[in-house]
Amino acid sequence: ETGVTQTPRHLVMGMTNKKSLKCEQHLGHNAMYWYKQSAKKPLELMFVYNFKEQTENNSVPSRFSPECPNSSHLFLHLHTLQPEDSALYLCASSQVGEGTEAFFGQGTRLTVV
Amino acid sequence: GQQVMQIPQYQHVQEGEDFTTYCNSSTTLSNIQWYKQRPGGHPVFLIQLVKSGEVKKQKRLTFQFGEAKKNSSLHITATQTTDVGTYFCATMYSGGGADGLTFGKGTHLIIQP
Repeated sequence: ETGVTQTPRHLVMGMTNKKSLKCEQHLGHNAMYWYKQSAKKPLELMFVYNFKEQTENNSVPSRFSPECPNSSHLFLHLHTLQPEDSALYLCASSQVGEGTEAFFGQGTRLTVV
Repeated sequence: GQQVMQIPQYQHVQEGEDFTTYCNSSTTLSNIQWYKQRPGGHPVFLIQLVKSGEVKKQKRLTFQFGEAKKNSSLHITATQTTDVGTYFCATMYSGGGADGLTFGKGTHLIIQP
């Protein structure tokens, strides 16, 4: 039990589909993150939500759309993805302040067909 | 954001041999964190170093932060099969009001019995 829960664990979607990934943290943290992990770019930071405000997007394509309705929940909305977007998507949370550890969820394994 | 380079990418060792992974940056780091990801799992926090020349130990694992705070290492003594996985270094940086963990590419530790 990591304190950070992601659903679904596995997802297969077509390039014309719209789906959402969900993340929930039970640790009382005030920052949440989306990371993409693939063979080419391990642990690539996509989005940061700090006090519910998005403060970093690292030039992520617009087909990925994050949403953070409160400090405990984080979504990643997906639409018109490409096969190269297939990867493990990891959510993490931490307490804002320099040098605080991140707690990761178990990830969603996404396959785009 | 700050970049951290990690070497080697892969390391094969016989069980019982020692293992070391190195993390380097061209800029001074305020902190360095180490994570372990087991095959099929998610990254799990191991330790954080913040002081110049700091050395910390966890059983067979020794973590070191360089005097100039530009490099770090993780050394495992007498590896066991349970040590298999990918070891990542990471640094927390502040940019534009956001905090985000930047990861190295990781070192895959493969142990041959």
